[in-house]
Amino acid sequence: KQEVTQIPAALSVPEGENLVLNCSFTDSAIYNLQWFRQDPGKGLTSLLLIQSSQREQTSGRLNASLDKSSGRSTLYIAASQPGDSATYLCAVGGGADGLTFGKGTHLIIQP
Amino acid sequence: DTAVSQTPKYLVTQMGNDKSIKCEQNLGHDTMYWYKQDSKKFLKIMFSYNNKELIINETVPNRFSPKSPDKAHLNLHINSLELGDSAVYFCASSHTATATNEKLFFGSGTQLSVL
Repeated sequence: KQEVTQIPAALSVPEGENLVLNCSFTDSAIYNLQWFRQDPGKGLTSLLLIQSSQREQTSGRLNASLDKSSGRSTLYIAASQPGDSATYLCAVGGGADGLTFGKGTHLIIQP
Repeated sequence: DTAVSQTPKYLVTQMGNDKSIKCEQNLGHDTMYWYKQDSKKFLKIMFSYNNKELIINETVPNRFSPKSPDKAHLNLHINSLELGDSAVYFCASSHTATATNEKLFFGSGTQLSVL
């Protein structure tokens, strides 16, 4: 059974800092790994998707890496802004079985 | 246009009632899903469904049943609601279920409160 762990559970940093969110998973047989953002009272927005054959993906100030052999992924956020405040969710799997989610990292960027 | 829309946004009901949550996607996707987010914010898949196959998470009680009138809709019916069913339910869709590059698109959620 796939298990996904995210560390830290919560993080508060001043605006402008670079930060790293961590995700680990127990079963390396995955289609892909996805990072999502969830704002309070809203649905999830897909940020980055890394296919199982890929090592990283970048979108603007976000960079996500995937090391399948060790069951780890990191989400790097450069030059953080208050608008980045949200819960960030890591999910692995894909396919008809759907995604297995971690419990998320609640991020607060202080102005 | 909202890609994945679900209604209602809030649903408050009594124990024992039967209720439905509707979901529609206008993305032309083949696969739709229902996820449950509990009070601890933990998201778990309940069902995935395409034209040919329904996959059920074995932990989902049979009081929950998805119904798809067509490819763009996957409604969630819940019978004999219990207090523990209180959660936020998210509908999602993807183009296919088997490609490695398929992103999931989520609706904004339905907050169900069972009294």
